[in-house]
Amino acid sequence: DIVLTQSPDTLSLSPGESATLSCRASQSFRSYQLAWYQQKPGQAPRLLIYDISNRATGTPGRFSGSGSGADFTLTISRLEPEDFAVYYCQQHSVTPQTFGQGTKVEIK
Amino acid sequence: QVRLVQSGAEVRKPGASVKISCQTSGYSFIAYFIQWVRQVPGQGPEWVGRINPNDGRTSYARKFEGRVSMTRDMSSKTVFLEVTSLTPEDTAIFYCARDRMTVLSASEFWGQGTLITVSP
Repeated sequence: DIVLTQSPDTLSLSPGESATLSCRASQSFRSYQLAWYQQKPGQAPRLLIYDISNRATGTPGRFSGSGSGADFTLTISRLEPEDFAVYYCQQHSVTPQTFGQGTKVEIK
Repeated sequence: QVRLVQSGAEVRKPGASVKISCQTSGYSFIAYFIQWVRQVPGQGPEWVGRINPNDGRTSYARKFEGRVSMTRDMSSKTVFLEVTSLTPEDTAIFYCARDRMTVLSASEFWGQGTLITVSP
């Protein structure tokens, strides 16, 4: 199985700051099939980014995805209060699809 | 609009089985894969498997193979997940999710989740 390792585990930031989240895969795959989800307490995950860099419907422009090969990044510019949540990367290129362990973005 | 509505929370004893549902609406039921994902509180999501509602074909994660079964009912546009031989480690929220496109893709629409609690 492809293991996705996210870093850091926790990011402590203030509103208005930028966040950079990393996702590294244990092996190569058709890397465009990499997605990012946001999850808030008591809610289902919400798709933010698909195919590395495409924003899903309703995803604000301050969210951007990038990367290639085995290294991927989610950037949130100018954090808004509603952005403090847990973020997961996911690959769905190889069965079983797998998720990272998550990065929590918390208010400093 | 696309909606996935899951059945309510369940409590089972170890060794028992449970069957939960995910009723869909607002799109062509047969056109999109449905994924099932398990999430233990405080942990990341874990893929359980998927079903193709068009033909009922399934694919399961190796760790769940032999213990889970996914089916669908065309008339009610509902998919089902049955888990057998439950252990306390199965205590988790199970989500159904619909792919973004008609080929395997990221999961864009999610159910609200069903909490399964396994306790003696």
